[in-house]
Amino acid sequence: DTAVSQTPKYLVTQMGNDKSIKCEQNLGHDTMYWYKQDSKKFLKIMFSYNNKELIINETVPNRFSPKSPDKAHLNLHINSLELGDSAVYFCASSQGAWGQGLKGEQYFGPGTRLTVT
Amino acid sequence: AQKITQTQPGMFVQEKEAVTLDCTYDTSDPSYGLFWYKQPSSGEMIFLIYQGSYDQQNATEGRYSLNFQKARKSANLVISASQLGDSAMYFCAMREGGDTGRRALTFGSGTRLQVQP
Repeated sequence: DTAVSQTPKYLVTQMGNDKSIKCEQNLGHDTMYWYKQDSKKFLKIMFSYNNKELIINETVPNRFSPKSPDKAHLNLHINSLELGDSAVYFCASSQGAWGQGLKGEQYFGPGTRLTVT
Repeated sequence: AQKITQTQPGMFVQEKEAVTLDCTYDTSDPSYGLFWYKQPSSGEMIFLIYQGSYDQQNATEGRYSLNFQKARKSANLVISASQLGDSAMYFCAMREGGDTGRRALTFGSGTRLQVQP
């Protein structure tokens, strides 16, 4: 059973289009994240949701809109795609509480490689 | 200032030898966690090992150990008896704050490890 799954794995689209990436986790975690990995492999947080509530919203263009219909799902919708949006997008999840023996490690999905032409 | 610094963009090691990947961090928060992730060429992010700021002993997980020097703010990953399958990108990451703090990970720029037969 896949712990954190993302669809699609590859996404090739043209500038100006709107696209969505879906993420699901079956680990029972209460916190989910979107990270962006650029062409130099640098990973940066975009958004974080805890129990369907947005808790982190980094400096991301408002063309990016996350949505969490329930604790197990976190989707990412991108409007008016630009060339600079080409990257690998990772979904991750963790159990928010940590300390006292809990690590709070994050488990990542396989990534979605988005190519904007 | 960068929160996580990995100064070795690339490393080579002979099969069966040990290798140390460097990581220094910067935080003023007394409560934080340090993580190492492996990203093979297939692209997935694999959690390897965790060290909490209050942990008295260095973390170990199989062939992975973390050399945690709190005063120096370093958290180096040691891989013993390197195997060809260890060839990958390795990321050091930090999570700051307690349960009510920021939960997202801040990543370093990564070290590409190549294991030679």
